[in-house]
Amino acid sequence: QKEVEQNSGPLSVPEGAIASLNCTYSDRGSQSFFWYRQYSGKSPELIMFIYSNGDKEDGRFTAQLNKASQYVSLLIRDSQPSDSATYLCAVNVDTDKLIFGTGTRLQVFP
Amino acid sequence: DTGVSQDPRHKITKRGQNVTFRCDPISEHNRLYWYRQTLGQGPEFLTYFQNEAQLEKSRLLSDRFSAERPKGSFSTLEIQRTEQGDSAMYLCASSHRDRNYEQYFGPGTRLTVT
Repeated sequence: QKEVEQNSGPLSVPEGAIASLNCTYSDRGSQSFFWYRQYSGKSPELIMFIYSNGDKEDGRFTAQLNKASQYVSLLIRDSQPSDSATYLCAVNVDTDKLIFGTGTRLQVFP
Repeated sequence: DTGVSQDPRHKITKRGQNVTFRCDPISEHNRLYWYRQTLGQGPEFLTYFQNEAQLEKSRLLSDRFSAERPKGSFSTLEIQRTEQGDSAMYLCASSHRDRNYEQYFGPGTRLTVT
């Protein structure tokens, strides 16, 4: 079982819709959770992080964490074509390294 | 803040040659990380430094790989006797002492071994 799992997609949503990206992790000791956005040919960009159960909102982005279910999600409201990218989920367990999933490709069509 | 910078951005080398990459972290970031990413995969951790001390190395980091951060500022990653399987994007990230887990990536160095 992979430590961090994501559906590879693509997830296709129309412009203006809510995109929901999901991630599960295997280690119950995971402490911190991150979402990175990666455009094709570019490096990952940190867009959200969450440390506690519940929701965290930042602009059009909401991160949701449920440690009991070992599940973290990212909601993107009012999706725009410029949001089309691969979204990487990452977790930190007991050291400073991050463990990444393989990413979900999001396509927002006009 | 200027972001993390990496040099070179692209490197093409022949199998068996040595290559060295450089990373300059965000100023005042005391932690520096190296990751490797291949197509369709997420970044994989290689090693990290706190100041000049190398605190952790992945099992992925064979003896052909070595990393240094001699003065706690920039870091270098050297690959000796490159193999075709070393072809990947090598990513550097840094984080601030007070927010260790929030890692910010540089643009990466794309290595192609022919």
